[in-house]
Amino acid sequence: QKEVEQNSGPLSVPEGAIASLNCTYSDRGSQSFFWYRQYSGKSPELIMSIYSNGDKEDGRFTAQLNKASQYVSLLIRDSQPSDSATYLCAAERGSSYKLIFGSGTRLLVRP
Amino acid sequence: DAGVIQSPRHEVTEMGQEVTLRCKPISGHDYLFWYRQTMMRGLELLIYFNNNVPIDDSGMPEDRFSAKMPNASFSTLKIQPSEPRDSAVYFCASSLVGTPGYGYTFGSGTRLTVV
Repeated sequence: QKEVEQNSGPLSVPEGAIASLNCTYSDRGSQSFFWYRQYSGKSPELIMSIYSNGDKEDGRFTAQLNKASQYVSLLIRDSQPSDSATYLCAAERGSSYKLIFGSGTRLLVRP
Repeated sequence: DAGVIQSPRHEVTEMGQEVTLRCKPISGHDYLFWYRQTMMRGLELLIYFNNNVPIDDSGMPEDRFSAKMPNASFSTLKIQPSEPRDSAVYFCASSLVGTPGYGYTFGSGTRLTVV
């Protein structure tokens, strides 16, 4: 079992829809979680971090964390074609500050 | 701030040659990480430093790989000798760990091709 698992996709949604990206993790000691966006041929860029159970909103993005279920998700409201990218979920291993990344979910937003 | 700076952007080398990748972290960041990304294995952590000291190199695949951080503004990842299976994109990232929402800031990466 991979430490951080994501569905590789592609997840295809129409412009204006809500995109829902999911991630599960295996290390119950993980306390911090991150979502990164990576455009093809570019480096990952941080979108959001979340540490506490519940929801965290930032503009069109909402991160959700459920530590009991070991589940993290990212919702993108009003999806735009420019949101088409690979989204990487990362979990901090214990309190080591090491981020373990999932393999990413490719999102396609259709105009 | 110029962000994390990596060089070179692209490197093509022959099998058996030595390859050196370079990284300048963001000034003031106290952690530096080296990752490798391939289609098959995704992003893999190779090694990371805290205040220039290597903390964990358990991700370094073989003794052919080595990394140094002689000062707070410079790090190198060296592969000697290089092999075709080392072909990947190598990212350097830095962070000021412990600050709210810290995350990592990644450099643009070095695309390494070993032929």
